[in-house]
Amino acid sequence: GQNIDQPTEMTATEGAIVQINCTYQTSGFNGLFWYQQHAGEAPTFLSYNVLDGLEEKGRFSSFLSRSKGYSYLLLKELQMKDSASYLCAVRDSDNYGQNFVFGPGTRLSVLP
Amino acid sequence: GAGVSQSPSNKVTEKGKDVELRCDPISGHTALYWYRQSLGQGLEFLIYFQGNSAPDKSGLPSDRFSAERTGGSVSTLTIQRTQQEDSAVYLCASSLVEGGPSSGYTFGSGTRLTVV
Repeated sequence: GQNIDQPTEMTATEGAIVQINCTYQTSGFNGLFWYQQHAGEAPTFLSYNVLDGLEEKGRFSSFLSRSKGYSYLLLKELQMKDSASYLCAVRDSDNYGQNFVFGPGTRLSVLP
Repeated sequence: GAGVSQSPSNKVTEKGKDVELRCDPISGHTALYWYRQSLGQGLEFLIYFQGNSAPDKSGLPSDRFSAERTGGSVSTLTIQRTQQEDSAVYLCASSLVEGGPSSGYTFGSGTRLTVV
């Protein structure tokens, strides 16, 4: 079956670093995505990994290990505006039009 | 338009009524998806349209749910005889499949449906 696990909630302090983990078990794999979703708003694209390793984009980095079915999103120099839900999603097919499998999301609260 | 537009943004309906939710994707995006997001839950895939191909309806939870996409652009999700468990945020997303494997989705802001 298809399964993606993330922690439900995390709390961190402004200026700190936080790592949000994601483990997945899918029938296929053709890319892992992270999305940010502020309350009441649409999810927005953050990052994409298809090969093992770290992808860095400003304060955000995303890591992938395909052999372990594992990814993490690393947020540095946390700001209050980073308080949001972070969704891990796996494209499970090499048919790029196929649907993604989404995790339940991790609600991050950044405290002053 | 510049983004994915959904209407209405909020809808309150009585149990048993039919509702129609609209999605206007980004111009030129050939793929369109509907998802449902219940409180505290992940995104649940409902239906996928790609160009003129037959839609993938494998995620529709019951025959009360249907969707169409006219002219390869605007899509309407219809829920007949609504039930309280249908209450959720319904998200539409579109993507430019030809953009390659890194193309993610662009989501609309969703329609919050409340069935009372």
